[in-house]
Amino acid sequence: DADVTQTPRNRITKTGKRIMLECSQTKGHDRMYWYRQDPGLGLRLIYYSFDVKDINKGEISDGYSVSRQAQAKFSLSLESAIPNQTALYFCATSEPPTSPQGDTQYFGPGTRLTVL
Amino acid sequence: RKEVEQDPGPFNVPEGATVAFNCTYSNSASQSFFWYRQDCRKEPKLLMSVYSSGNEDGRFTAQLNRASQYISLLIRDSKLSDSATYLCVVPERGGYNKLIFGAGTRLAVHP
Repeated sequence: DADVTQTPRNRITKTGKRIMLECSQTKGHDRMYWYRQDPGLGLRLIYYSFDVKDINKGEISDGYSVSRQAQAKFSLSLESAIPNQTALYFCATSEPPTSPQGDTQYFGPGTRLTVL
Repeated sequence: RKEVEQDPGPFNVPEGATVAFNCTYSNSASQSFFWYRQDCRKEPKLLMSVYSSGNEDGRFTAQLNRASQYISLLIRDSKLSDSATYLCVVPERGGYNKLIFGAGTRLAVHP
């Protein structure tokens, strides 16, 4: 089984709809991240969480919100989806930077979201 | 200047060729660097880490030039399976485990 899973894998929705993307991990990592990827652009950080009680905005948080329900679960919500939120969304996890593998991020398989 | 810049490619090379990608970064204080590999429509996966002047793993060699602020990835004896997008990644200024991703360089290896 994959260590980092995302649901759904694909989603088509309409402008104005509320959408939730879910991420679960079995790696036991405290740190979790949400990114979006657009053609020709690098992955851009939306939100990140360093433990269950910690939520931080990333580079492009406007229009998004997150919930860290447990160490293993980190959800991303689009309160009112718009077409320019059409992208590939990745969840990732990591250990603290002080650990030997602390700089490595482990990604889920991605969710392809299309907003019409 | 973007924090991490890469030539988008694509680099089209025959099997067996040697190919090199460069990546420039703006944060002169960066101490660690990474190359991630991303197959089409798949998630990025760590390929190599670079903490000093360079790193070598089989056919792959990463080199760091701190004076010029660039990192290179050299692939020798290219295989068809090397076809992918290679992402240059640098920790954000101040660290805290936040990474800045380049847009990637696409490699296509043909028979």
